[in-house]
Amino acid sequence: NAGVTQTPKFRVLKTGQSMTLLCAQDMNHEYMYWYRQDPGMGLRLIHYSVGEGTTAKGEVPDGYNVSRLKKQNFLLGLESAAPSQTSVYFCASSYSGRESSYNSPLHFGNGTRLTVT
Amino acid sequence: KNQVEQSPQSLIILEGKNCTLQCNYTVSPFSNLRWYKQDTGRGPVSLTIMTFSENTKSNGRYTATLDADTKQSSLHITASQLSDSASYICVVTPWGVTGGGNKLTFGTGTQLKVEL
Repeated sequence: NAGVTQTPKFRVLKTGQSMTLLCAQDMNHEYMYWYRQDPGMGLRLIHYSVGEGTTAKGEVPDGYNVSRLKKQNFLLGLESAAPSQTSVYFCASSYSGRESSYNSPLHFGNGTRLTVT
Repeated sequence: KNQVEQSPQSLIILEGKNCTLQCNYTVSPFSNLRWYKQDTGRGPVSLTIMTFSENTKSNGRYTATLDADTKQSSLHITASQLSDSASYICVVTPWGVTGGGNKLTFGTGTQLKVEL
């Protein structure tokens, strides 16, 4: 099992450009998440999905859009990149929210390092 | 606002030595507290989890303790190795939240470096 796979690993954008970050999981997890990690701050939730075809906003959703057309994939889009979106982006997945959180750790990908100039 | 604060922010120790990382939280009531290890350039990986009724949990050389009365947790690393160099993140799940990660509160992490 590959677990959670993120592509690309690195990307440099110019202000105003757009891009899509890809996340794929092979664990048949219902829940998927996009976080960003910035120096001196804890992981912050951007958007999440509780199942195929569903998405919801997290703590810092502005400037991002997501789609979950297939259960195993969760896409994060930046329509018009800004320097404030320079960050490391992590995708994660977990078992159904109906499971006890005790048994449902988050499984993270290895991140996408994005720089917006 | 629920918070999770970790200390120290960074720590350097010699290989073979022990160390203790601290986590203070204000999430209340809470369901469980989990420690993650994040190697440089990688995603976090779960180390230990404790419910509000557990006081200690071990995973090899890692031992986590929890004092729900004072809202403090610690992660003790015994006989450190170079491979322990990583960031250690404390994460708290509020009471009543099931497996969804959309309600978690993350600490900022302690950056540990183990040197020869």
